[in-house]
Amino acid sequence: EVQLVESGGGLVQPGGSLRLSCVASGFTFSSYWMSWVRQAPGKGLEWVANIKEDGSEKYYVDSVKGRFTISRDNAKNSLYLQMNGLRAEDTAVYFCVRRGTNFDYWGQGTLVTVSS
Amino acid sequence: QSALTQPASVSGSPGQSITISCTGTSSDVGGYKYVSWYQQHPDKAPKLMIYEVSYRSSGVPDRFSGSKSGNTASLTISGLQAEDEADYYCSSHTSSNTRVFGTGTKVTVL
Repeated sequence: EVQLVESGGGLVQPGGSLRLSCVASGFTFSSYWMSWVRQAPGKGLEWVANIKEDGSEKYYVDSVKGRFTISRDNAKNSLYLQMNGLRAEDTAVYFCVRRGTNFDYWGQGTLVTVSS
Repeated sequence: QSALTQPASVSGSPGQSITISCTGTSSDVGGYKYVSWYQQHPDKAPKLMIYEVSYRSSGVPDRFSGSKSGNTASLTISGLQAEDEADYYCSSHTSSNTRVFGTGTKVTVL
């Protein structure tokens, strides 16, 4: 059974940093693109970033370029999102998602709240 | 990277058919086969329903179907059922190798 479990969310002040983690199981992690998708409270889905199987290609939504970094450790079946320079508008539930395009499995999400 | 345009809400009676549109540009929906649809019930993670325009994901009832014409993709639910009441989002690959979601549509079963 495919499982994606996120962690690392919480309350952070504007300008602060947070690192999200996602541990994958039930499939060959190193064979799939992986993505982060977020959803602000009461709002729609927003694609944030994705990363190729071997980490050699990474893409980001314009609003997080230069502030967020996606990475992965295939030996640990783990996906990460390093978030720096956080803003109030980054407040959202962040989902770890399998694949880069047809997002076929989703974690339950971790809530990030940016507030003073 | 503007969001794809979807109607805010669509409603129908049980057994009826409804269609949700998803309008983009030639740089996303119109230019690629990578259009997918997601169903999200309240406080749940989204679920992949349709991928690559018209392929149903595993376990998705054949009441759900997808299509595309030009820059607009569509999701049709035939024989609407109470459990279909949810939010629906489209998504597309873009020419800048990013991904974009639609604005979302709330489906109400009357």
